[in-house]
Amino acid sequence: DTAVSQTPKYLVTQMGNDKSIKCEQNLGHDTMYWYKQDSKKFLKIMFSYNNKELIINETVPNRFSPKSPDKAHLNLHINSLELGDSAVYFCASSQEPVTYEQYFGPGTRLTVT
Amino acid sequence: DQQVKQNSPSLSVQEGRISILNCDYTNSMFDYFLWYKKYPAEGPTFLISISSIKDKNEDGRFTVFLNKSAKHLSLHIVPSQPGDSAVYFCAASDNNAGNMLTFGGGTRLMVKP
Repeated sequence: DTAVSQTPKYLVTQMGNDKSIKCEQNLGHDTMYWYKQDSKKFLKIMFSYNNKELIINETVPNRFSPKSPDKAHLNLHINSLELGDSAVYFCASSQEPVTYEQYFGPGTRLTVT
Repeated sequence: DQQVKQNSPSLSVQEGRISILNCDYTNSMFDYFLWYKKYPAEGPTFLISISSIKDKNEDGRFTVFLNKSAKHLSLHIVPSQPGDSAVYFCAASDNNAGNMLTFGGGTRLMVKP
């Protein structure tokens, strides 16, 4: 019974394509996140989102856009993929009011060729 | 500019001994600190946390120490077990900046039987 799930687990695509990664949480949490783990293994926040507010890390290119159809889902759309987008992307969720323990999905390894 | 640093990329410890993982931060606004553990091909899982109003928090074999004046925290695992072998990430949060975590680069702990 997975708490935070992501699909697909692996994604290989060519430069210039548009792709989406899906995330779902069954924890009843109010806030969801996307993180990027780059080749140097640093985990960096990309977005924080609940049904009230989207907080964007300013360093994230606008080719990346989160889409939340409902509280349990936060999908990540990436347009015009570039080689530098290759990374592992993690979705996470947490409960409001603000608590700091975030629950992570298993990650999606994106490879752009 | 890395606000959270883990200067030791790896640590090797004998089973039964103490493991000490270190983390330094530069942002004095951080008020909550967490340790996450990550196995290969999985997402990070929450391990233990500490508020900036405390200097120690203990949970079973895991203890986190916070030295605010030195902007330093450490995770002690005693006794270390082979199952503790994983990558450990230190993370920090500024309550005034939303529930976003800033992660260190991780330390790979190897516990030898």
